[in-house]
Amino acid sequence: QSALTQPRSVSGSPGQSVTISCTGTSSDVGSYTHLSWYQHHPGNAPTIIIYDVSKRPSGVPDRFSGSKSGNTASLTISGLQAEDEGNYYCCSFAGSDTHVVFGGGTTLTVL
Amino acid sequence: QVQLQESGPGLVKPSETLSLTCTVSGTSIRSYYWSWIRQPPGKGLEWIGNFYYSGSTYYNPSLKSRVTISVDASKNQFSLKLSSVTAADTAVYYCACGKVSYYYMDVWGKGTTATVSS
Repeated sequence: QSALTQPRSVSGSPGQSVTISCTGTSSDVGSYTHLSWYQHHPGNAPTIIIYDVSKRPSGVPDRFSGSKSGNTASLTISGLQAEDEGNYYCCSFAGSDTHVVFGGGTTLTVL
Repeated sequence: QVQLQESGPGLVKPSETLSLTCTVSGTSIRSYYWSWIRQPPGKGLEWIGNFYYSGSTYYNPSLKSRVTISVDASKNQFSLKLSSVTAADTAVYYCACGKVSYYYMDVWGKGTTATVSS
């Protein structure tokens, strides 16, 4: 079971936008809309920020948005704030055998 | 609101079985979908397995031969057993709840560290 591919790190200045990619295959990201994103501040529990590719749970700011094209999903954070700094993971359904697979994680640094 | 708390021994010897428990409060374990996820030091999240009380249980294929997830509804708890552990199983272990499906983890516990060492 291979992890989905994410960039190891991205960075941006306050107020800017950043996009984190999540590349899978036609067996996972490319075939299903069960795609979610998690924000993880070290030492805390991860929190879900996007589900069903582009839906936001209540309480998640609309600065966070998700999309998908082919085998690649993307998380865009606009109007970067200092508290957005942390680790971000994508997660996809990967069929009845593999079931669930995470991305390797991306560290976001707010400059 | 749904809350989860992981518990278990922090230290396990190589080749032995790691046993962890997740205690659920704020809802019945007969509702929702329940998962175990882990994060080895310096690495990303790894899905271990999940289940629905009156449905199926699924395991990560790379761990399937060593993993068992079970539930005790009378205690509103579910458990993880990972056998024949090695240092590679050292990680922070999280339990989580999905309110909508097997594939999303809406609420997470704070995690518990399990170290494999002699």
